[in-house]
Amino acid sequence: DSGVTQTPKHLITATGQRVTLRCSPRSGDLSVYWYQQSLDQGLQFLIQYYNGEERAKGNILERFSAQQFPDLHSELNLSSLELGDSALYFCASSLFGGEANEKLFFGSGTQLSVL
Amino acid sequence: GENVEQHPSTLSVQEGDSAVIKCTYSDSASNYFPWYKQELGKGPQLIIDIRSNVGEKKDQRIAVTLNKTAKHFSLHITETQPEDSAVYFCAASIHGSARQLTFGSGTQLTVLP
Repeated sequence: DSGVTQTPKHLITATGQRVTLRCSPRSGDLSVYWYQQSLDQGLQFLIQYYNGEERAKGNILERFSAQQFPDLHSELNLSSLELGDSALYFCASSLFGGEANEKLFFGSGTQLSVL
Repeated sequence: GENVEQHPSTLSVQEGDSAVIKCTYSDSASNYFPWYKQELGKGPQLIIDIRSNVGEKKDQRIAVTLNKTAKHFSLHITETQPEDSAVYFCAASIHGSARQLTFGSGTQLTVLP
């Protein structure tokens, strides 16, 4: 168990809908990262938050947004969902801002199915 | 941006044999290269990493080598065991850390008893 908690484990929804994925980092970790894993794109970095502030942005669509709350948990919001958004969404955490010698710990993911 | 290619996509070995997975990267500024193991139903787990100022790193049965000139790095697993069966991902970052990793496409390793 990595200590990173993601809910829900599975999510089934329809095109055009909006969903929220939740992540609780390991105790004491200040950074949260979101990754998308799909069959055609592989594992792709979406966004990183460090202590409540956006730290780095990757291949995140404009329909997607994230935030990190004062208690350090994070939510990834996906709106106007399309079939191609079906994927496994991982949250990871690290102790600080992702500096050298920091390790990344991944949660077990949320499997999103858009029908 | 960075592009990481990983080969092979599937690899089957007999228990006790060695397994080698290779990755190439495109951005010469990349300086941090971790390897992750992903078991079914779980998230990726870091197994070993190497930085650009080091050519080789070993941890028990696992070793990673880096050739900066050729821009490729490899994972070597010796004396493979059935519990080594999983998907392995290589990754690269220009930040010297796990920040903004670019992942390879993964290798499904199967260790046959």
